Amino acid sequence: GENVGLHLPTLSVQEGDNSIINCAYSNSASDYFIWYKQESGKGPQFIIDIRSNMDKRQGQRVTVLLNKTVKHLSLQIAATQPGDSAVYFCAENTSLGYNKLIFGAGTRLAVHP
Amino acid sequence: NAGVTQTPKFQVLKTGQSMTLQCAQDMNHEYMSWYRQDPGMGLRLIHYSVGAGITDQGEVPNGYNVSRSTTEDFPLRLLSAAPSQTSVYFCASSYGTVNQPQHFGDGTRLSIL
Repeated sequence: GENVGLHLPTLSVQEGDNSIINCAYSNSASDYFIWYKQESGKGPQFIIDIRSNMDKRQGQRVTVLLNKTVKHLSLQIAATQPGDSAVYFCAENTSLGYNKLIFGAGTRLAVHP
Repeated sequence: NAGVTQTPKFQVLKTGQSMTLQCAQDMNHEYMSWYRQDPGMGLRLIHYSVGAGITDQGEVPNGYNVSRSTTEDFPLRLLSAAPSQTSVYFCASSYGTVNQPQHFGDGTRLSIL
């Protein structure tokens, strides 16, 4: 919604640079992790997901890294573009069952030309 | 495919009024869910459904009811609106019920006066 992102941490990058957005998750038993992008006035848009039996997964211009030892997730965006400007959320499935996601508070990515 | 469709997009209610937020998906998804999003926060799960006739509570279910009479529709009911329910509400669906990316609608922005 329009008020999403108030008081959120902000990552500012130059167009063309690589971006890294970090997320600490809460439950060591979580087995599924997902990144969403949310633009103003829109619903979250799926970017990439990863299961706990993997350390890394790549998509188009995006890579997700999972470090289960320190319960850390990161999203890397290569050659960041102005259209990448949005709020990014990580989420974990703590239920070991149904799709009951727990979302982080989000990080705003601002891309400057 | 329209994806996940939410209506209305905006609504203003008075305290004590009731209302139903509509959600429909045309992807034949088994799993549907409702989240609320408050400023500066991630999404929180209200209720979810793993199939027609089956619903369960999420993280913040108080003050909300749901039903799932068909695969396509998953309405969220506020029986007696309170100012604390002012939020942006998102509906989501996924093909599978476990560890699958959820697809979100564009939200209903609800204000309770």
